[in-house]
Amino acid sequence: EIVLTQSPGTLSLSPGERATLSCRASQSVGSRYLAWYQQKPGQAPRLLIYGASNRATGIPDRFSGSGSGTDFTLTISRLDPEDFAVYSCQQYGSSPPITFGQGTRLEIK
Amino acid sequence: EVHLVESGGGLVQPGGSLRLSCAASGFTFSSYWMHWVRQAPGKGLVWISRIDPDGSSTDYADSVKGRFTISRDNAKNTLYLQMNSLRAEDTALYYCARQQPFLDYWGQGTLVTVSS
Repeated sequence: EIVLTQSPGTLSLSPGERATLSCRASQSVGSRYLAWYQQKPGQAPRLLIYGASNRATGIPDRFSGSGSGTDFTLTISRLDPEDFAVYSCQQYGSSPPITFGQGTRLEIK
Repeated sequence: EVHLVESGGGLVQPGGSLRLSCAASGFTFSSYWMHWVRQAPGKGLVWISRIDPDGSSTDYADSVKGRFTISRDNAKNTLYLQMNSLRAEDTALYYCARQQPFLDYWGQGTLVTVSS
């Protein structure tokens, strides 16, 4: 089973700043099968990025994903107030089981 | 527009059973793998199970294997999760999701609480 470890656990930033979130896998994620999700309180997860770097439909271009192998990054170039949420990475290249990271909470400083 | 609507959650005693449903609309349900993912209060997302488009192949997380059964009725565009021998640690919000192979659409979830 591939274990995903996200860092930091909590990130405190201000609107307009740049956010960099990390997701590290315990073994290589095949063919960059890595996705990122955003989740706000009381809402279902929303797909942001798939294939490590492809934005999902309707996702603003301030969101970008990068990485391969075992190290992946989600970057939000300029934080909008609506971006403060929990972000989770997920690998789907070696499944079952599909695995998720524990999440990074992005909070307003 | 794709919609997934879960139902069937509730309060159940340890050792009890529940059947969750996920009604799908807005896409050709019979063409997609479908998944169940759960989230305990204040915790992260945990994958539970998946089923192939015609229902002939299923997979489970070790934590639920032998207790939970995933199934589908393509004529009714509905996904199911039969949960038996429920434990306190099964308390969570249960989501159904469509595979693309990433999970591109999710329902709003149904809450299962296992408590005496």
